[in-house]
Amino acid sequence: QKEVEQDPGPLSVPEGAIVSLNCTYSNSAFQYFMWYRQYSRKGPELLMYTYSSGNKEDGRFTAQVDKSSKYISLFIRDSQPSDSATYLCAMRGFGNEKLTFGTGTRLTIIP
Amino acid sequence: EAGVVQSPRYKIIEKKQPVAFWCNPISGHNTLYWYLQNLGQGPELLIRYENEEAVDDSQLPKDRFSAERLKGVDSTLKIQPAELGDSAVYLCASSSDSDRGGRETQYFGPGTRLLVL
Repeated sequence: QKEVEQDPGPLSVPEGAIVSLNCTYSNSAFQYFMWYRQYSRKGPELLMYTYSSGNKEDGRFTAQVDKSSKYISLFIRDSQPSDSATYLCAMRGFGNEKLTFGTGTRLTIIP
Repeated sequence: EAGVVQSPRYKIIEKKQPVAFWCNPISGHNTLYWYLQNLGQGPELLIRYENEEAVDDSQLPKDRFSAERLKGVDSTLKIQPAELGDSAVYLCASSSDSDRGGRETQYFGPGTRLLVL
């Protein structure tokens, strides 16, 4: 079993919809949680970064972490065609610099 | 500000041939990472440098892979000899402790797409 599980999709939603992306993990030592966006043939870029449990909002993006359930989510409101990309969750433990990534969810926003 | 630069962007070689990838991190970034990304998978760390020192190379297949970061700036990742299973995207990333967000804010280059025939 992988340490981080993420549904690879693909996920297609109409423009303007709310998108929910999720990851589960098994390592209780993970303390830092990130979401990266990766466009085709590009490197990943950091979208959201959260420490421990709770919510964090940045514009149309909201990241949630539930450590008790070992479950993290990324919500995208008012989705745009430019949001079409692969979304990768990543996490690491305190004092451990190594990031463990999910497989990524491929998202398409249909105009 | 220039981002992480990688070259070449694409490389096609025959198996058993050597290949090298080059990375120029963002100016002033002391930490440099090499990742391997297979199709449909997330990046996996191969090696991490703090300045010129390799501080985590536990995932680097040392029988055929090598890396160096002379003078703590540019880095080169080499495969010799390449195998069919090495076909993947090789990503370089860099980060700085002094950046807001620290090491979570890893800036990735576009990657080198390797195809081994």
